[in-house]
Amino acid sequence: AQSVSQHNHHVILSEAASLELGCNYSYGGTVNLFWYVQYPGQHLQLLLKYFSGDPLVKGIKGFEAEFIKSKFSFNLRKPSVQWSDTAEYFCAVRSNNDMRFGAGTRLTVKP
Amino acid sequence: SQTIHQWPATLVQPVGSPLSLECTVEGTSNPNLYWYRQAAGRGLQLLFYSVGIGQISSEVPQNLSASRPQDRQFILSSKKLLLSDSGFYLCAWTEGISGNTIYFGEGSWLTVV
Repeated sequence: AQSVSQHNHHVILSEAASLELGCNYSYGGTVNLFWYVQYPGQHLQLLLKYFSGDPLVKGIKGFEAEFIKSKFSFNLRKPSVQWSDTAEYFCAVRSNNDMRFGAGTRLTVKP
Repeated sequence: SQTIHQWPATLVQPVGSPLSLECTVEGTSNPNLYWYRQAAGRGLQLLFYSVGIGQISSEVPQNLSASRPQDRQFILSSKKLLLSDSGFYLCAWTEGISGNTIYFGEGSWLTVV
């Protein structure tokens, strides 16, 4: 069955540390890839998305993600996190009519 | 502009009672419609999706069902709720097969007691 895996359940970082959250998927065909963020008490917000072209995608708030087709991965990165980045992050993959999300990674940034 | 409405926002139901959550989309036609459940530590679990009226794909075996009686209406139902059905349910839509962005409703908190 098609699946999306986020390997890190909970990540704890200090401010200014670099971030990388892993996302792997099991779809074999053409995919569209997304990262969403959910701040405490708020709804999901789109951080960035990849449809085609440059595999390095830049999103809002200094986030970026790299699509590596050979590894079926779409990892999220940020060079220097802030306390306000504390949230839950979801990777999502769309293939045809199917849109699935990973289990999420909770990021805690210590001031 | 497109909007998505989902209701009720919160719901407390006894075990064994029925459920009906409704979702409607405005400002678009022939959307793909989705029901997700968000539970702590499990992310967003895809429950059902629909590509057209009367067309429902079920992703997980459960005592929930979905129906799409109209193009822009998607209903999540249960005949008899279980405690394990408690959670946060999200309706969502995309623009058919070429729509690459998903739009979410406000969500419905269901507590089964």
